[in-house]
Amino acid sequence: DVKVTQSSRYLVKRTGEKVFLECVQDMDHENMFWYRQDPGLGLRLIYFSYDVKMKEKGDIPEGYSVSREKKERFSLILESASTNQTSMYLCASSLWGGGEQYFGPGTRLTVT
Amino acid sequence: QQQVKQSPQSLIVQKGGISIINCAYENTAFDYFPWYQQFPGKGPALLIAIRPDVSEKKEGRFTISFNKSAKQFSLHIMDSQPGDSATYFCAASIRIRENFGNEKLTFGTGTRLTIIP
Repeated sequence: DVKVTQSSRYLVKRTGEKVFLECVQDMDHENMFWYRQDPGLGLRLIYFSYDVKMKEKGDIPEGYSVSREKKERFSLILESASTNQTSMYLCASSLWGGGEQYFGPGTRLTVT
Repeated sequence: QQQVKQSPQSLIVQKGGISIINCAYENTAFDYFPWYQQFPGKGPALLIAIRPDVSEKKEGRFTISFNKSAKQFSLHIMDSQPGDSATYFCAASIRIRENFGNEKLTFGTGTRLTIIP
């Protein structure tokens, strides 16, 4: 079974803090993704990566950056957290070429 | 810009009934249409997917109907069960560049389905 794990289920940070969200997958997938999920807006793609050290902007990259130093690990970075970044963050992975994306359980981030 | 519009936002169906969720898209270059199912506290999981060269795909009680000319597709859940209560997302995908596959998914806004006894 593919397993995608996220470092925290719940996280509370203060405005202006630098926040790191970590994601690890164990199936040697080439692609990894970060989404945010908000009620009424569905899932929106922030960034994805198709190879180590490679990244592509998604639909809402502003205020976020990513890092992929190893194939199995993909990090989402909020350089200076703001209250409008309070959300559920979901990580996913897939094989090269697309197809099924496997999601982690999500990290609920609250920025106060 | 909402490229995939999903309705209804919420749906209540009696056990044994048919649940129908609809999606419409704008970009005719989309060529892969998956549906994801999400239970509370879990990430979404792929339920069923279709490509536009067929009009229907069935897997057990779940069927996707696809209307290319109308740019619409829908999920039908036959004999709906309480265990089907979840949030459902439609999605669409396009090849972003020559050397890529269907990596980039655009999701609908989700439908919260509740099956009542």
